[in-house]
Amino acid sequence: DARVTQTPRDKVTEMGQEVTMRCQPILGHNTVFWYRQTMMQGLELLAYFRNRAPLDDSGMPKDRFSAEMPDATLATLKIQPSEPRDSAVYFCASGRTSGAYNEQFFGPGTRLTVL
Amino acid sequence: GQSLEQPSEVTAVEGAIVQINCTYQTSGFYGLSWYQQHDGGAPTFLSYNALDGLEETGRFSSFLSRSDSYGYLLLQELQMKDSASYFCALRPPALKAGGFKTIFGAGTRLFVKA
Repeated sequence: DARVTQTPRDKVTEMGQEVTMRCQPILGHNTVFWYRQTMMQGLELLAYFRNRAPLDDSGMPKDRFSAEMPDATLATLKIQPSEPRDSAVYFCASGRTSGAYNEQFFGPGTRLTVL
Repeated sequence: GQSLEQPSEVTAVEGAIVQINCTYQTSGFYGLSWYQQHDGGAPTFLSYNALDGLEETGRFSSFLSRSDSYGYLLLQELQMKDSASYFCALRPPALKAGGFKTIFGAGTRLFVKA
């Protein structure tokens, strides 16, 4: 049963610390998304990749956030330095681009708390 | 830009039928999707409408009318386990070749009562 995996599942850190979240997309999927979910803002798209190339990171605060795909099996989202307002659940999702079809498979998420 | 509007909450009784509406503003898009999310869980894909009309998947159906900028998710024979948040989402025209950006609505929280 193929699924997206994310680590860590929970992260508590102090303001100013670096946070790295990892995602393993489903094998064969060529599109990877990073979302952030909060009660106030809902589900926001931060960045996404197609065939490992970044296509859109306009939803991401550029000064502290960075997203990369060093290989087809790993996507990373890094926050440096972290701030309390970054506290949220971060989801990674993967999919297969096929015409207009839009099914995305979400990982379990990383719950980040910045104190 | 693009925006989607959904009711924040809907309450229904077990065994009943409930419709969750989604209205949107966009200059164009590829299709409307629906996702379900239980508390503490991840969104899971339910359905996708590329064309106008009704798509049926078991107890769930989704409808799209591009002329009315409107879609809905219909849940039949409601069960307690259907209590969750439901999100509509659309994929706007790509700014870059192969673009696959998705915009999500704020979600509708469905409460199913016994």
